[in-house]
Amino acid sequence: GAVVSQHPSRVICKSGTSVKIECRSLDFQATTMFWYRQFPKQSLMLMATSNEGSKATYEQGVEKDKFLINHASLTLSTLTVTSAHPEDSSFYICSAEQRGVGLGNEQFFGPGTRLTVL
Amino acid sequence: QKEVEQNSGPLSVPEGAIASLNCTYSDRVSQSFFWYRQYSGKSPELIMSIYSNGDKEDGRFTAQLNKASQYVSLLIRDSQPSDSATYLCAKSGTYKYIFGTGTRLKVLA
Repeated sequence: GAVVSQHPSRVICKSGTSVKIECRSLDFQATTMFWYRQFPKQSLMLMATSNEGSKATYEQGVEKDKFLINHASLTLSTLTVTSAHPEDSSFYICSAEQRGVGLGNEQFFGPGTRLTVL
Repeated sequence: QKEVEQNSGPLSVPEGAIASLNCTYSDRVSQSFFWYRQYSGKSPELIMSIYSNGDKEDGRFTAQLNKASQYVSLLIRDSQPSDSATYLCAKSGTYKYIFGTGTRLKVLA
């Protein structure tokens, strides 16, 4: 159980285009999903927290107009990188929070999307 | 002080040995703690969560939590070369999870 999928796994695009990444929880409902970015040999960086039916909460320094997040259902969140530039090239990873019964919640990660902007 | 601190390593252990990974955190409020494994170029994978003081065992993995000392560790018994990865410690925060920078483990064949 607790499987999170992400699509696409890899995308190459031209500078100035927009790219949409989908994150799905396949076998559980996720009220909360998270979007991270990771540059080579660096730590995970949380970009935003996505809550179903409400606006995402962005971390300091993350441009909400550039990284559009939509969490329209309990199993799907999307991240759109608008007007992508080469500096946006990175590994984007989503995660979904599974609510625990009696214990704490747990966070499960999708496989990630490697974005290359030419 | 960072909220979650880990030694970046690398920690090198011979095959078959016990690998001990450590993590300290800065507050007394957090209730939930997690260990993730991340292979190079892949996303993190949850190994274990721990919520109570003491030890929790799952196969070759044992997590240890000491809330008074604000310390959580992960022991990997009978380490294998396939365990070579970066191990991320995390704690639950307010509406999000806080990660350490990870410890790189190398298991030498």
